[in-house]
Amino acid sequence: EVQLVGSGGGLVQPGGSLRLSCAASGFRFSIYEMNWVRQAPGKGLEWVSYIGSTGTTTSYTDSVKGRFTVSRDNAKNSLYLQMNSLTVEDSAVYYCARAALMDYDSSNNWFAFDIWGQGTMVTVSS
Amino acid sequence: DIQMAQSPSSLSASVGDRVTISCRASQSITTFLNWYQQKSGTAPKLLIYAASSLHSGAPSRFSGSGSGTAFTLTISSLQPEDFATYYCQQSFSTPQTFGQGTKVEFK
Repeated sequence: EVQLVGSGGGLVQPGGSLRLSCAASGFRFSIYEMNWVRQAPGKGLEWVSYIGSTGTTTSYTDSVKGRFTVSRDNAKNSLYLQMNSLTVEDSAVYYCARAALMDYDSSNNWFAFDIWGQGTMVTVSS
Repeated sequence: DIQMAQSPSSLSASVGDRVTISCRASQSITTFLNWYQQKSGTAPKLLIYAASSLHSGAPSRFSGSGSGTAFTLTISSLQPEDFATYYCQQSFSTPQTFGQGTKVEFK
């Protein structure tokens, strides 16, 4: 079965750190680009971070730049998000999501997030 | 960043109704537009990609249309399992922004 299983969430104080993990199974993890998406309680979806298939290319939403670091270990079929200097605004369910190439033509590649983890809750509170 | 605006934010409908949700981008994204369904307490699921292509396993009552800045998700005949929140997402550029969501509720 193709699946992503997230873990590592929990309660942390403001200014603290947390490392999220996402374990992939049922597919060739090393060839897929991956993302982290978060959802604050009662709010919508917010893209957080991207990492290319080899791990050499990364990007972040502005609000987490310099504080969060995304990485992957293709040998362990795992994705990570190291979160430092956490604030209450970072409290959310964090989803890992696979970016799949859904269609292409001579000029364009259409990607979508086709597989999502179940989400792991991060609560930042004193 | 490209801003995505959905309307309405919520709607009430009955089983069998035809439902239409709109999504507007702040600049042209051609057809780089995806739609997701999220039920309470669960992860989102991909419904439509590239504006109008139905994802494998998604019911055929779901359809998408549009290009440029204006897009639509249509549910041709609402079923009980369709009561959920729907999000559009642009994949044209980073950050890949989402709309604020449209909650489809039971009338």
